[in-house]
Amino acid sequence: DIQMTQSPSSLSASVGDRISITCRASQSISTYLNWYQQKPGKAPKVLIYAASSLHSGVPSRFRGSGSGTDFTLTISSLQPDDFATYYCQQSYRTPRTFGLGTKVEIK
Amino acid sequence: QVQLQQWGAGLLKPSETLSLTCAASGGSFSGYFWTWIRQPPGKGLEWIGEINHRGSTNYSPSLNSRVTISVATSKNEFSLKLNSVTAADTAVYYCARCSFEGPTTSWFFDLWGPGTLVAVSS
Repeated sequence: DIQMTQSPSSLSASVGDRISITCRASQSISTYLNWYQQKPGKAPKVLIYAASSLHSGVPSRFRGSGSGTDFTLTISSLQPDDFATYYCQQSYRTPRTFGLGTKVEIK
Repeated sequence: QVQLQQWGAGLLKPSETLSLTCAASGGSFSGYFWTWIRQPPGKGLEWIGEINHRGSTNYSPSLNSRVTISVATSKNEFSLKLNSVTAADTAVYYCARCSFEGPTTSWFFDLWGPGTLVAVSS
């Protein structure tokens, strides 16, 4: 299985802050990397697919970058609606593994 | 607007079989992988397996010996069976649609069901 390692596991930030979350794959996955947002009690929603493509309807303050083994999700100006848990997921091969998540909390 | 609805028993005893079904309404059923993902309380997401409309499956190696995913294309439904459950199988189970976009055929989960909490307890 391809292991996905996210960091940090949690972070505290304020509205308007710029934050970054990193995800590292245990082997090269090209750009087969997706990012999801999950709020408590809800199903995840896709934000970014193919490492850097913004899914339909997702605000442009979300940006994905990276290739190979190292990837980053950046939120340029954190909004109240962005406090949630974020997961990366590889689609290079099955099993389609997820990172353990990064919880973004209000400072 | 395509939606996923899911249903199944929410409380099981150890050694019983978990059985869930997911129905896709409002769109095409072919050209996707139909997926089951679970999330233990307070923990992260675990991919269980997937099936396409032709019945071709992929399973997580860690669950492969206990899991079966099947499809009923005429009803746009797919189902999960997980046998010999234990307390470790307690989780919210999501069905999801795995779609692809772009020249690199990048697959991602673009549509999710609401989730079903399945608890295993004696």
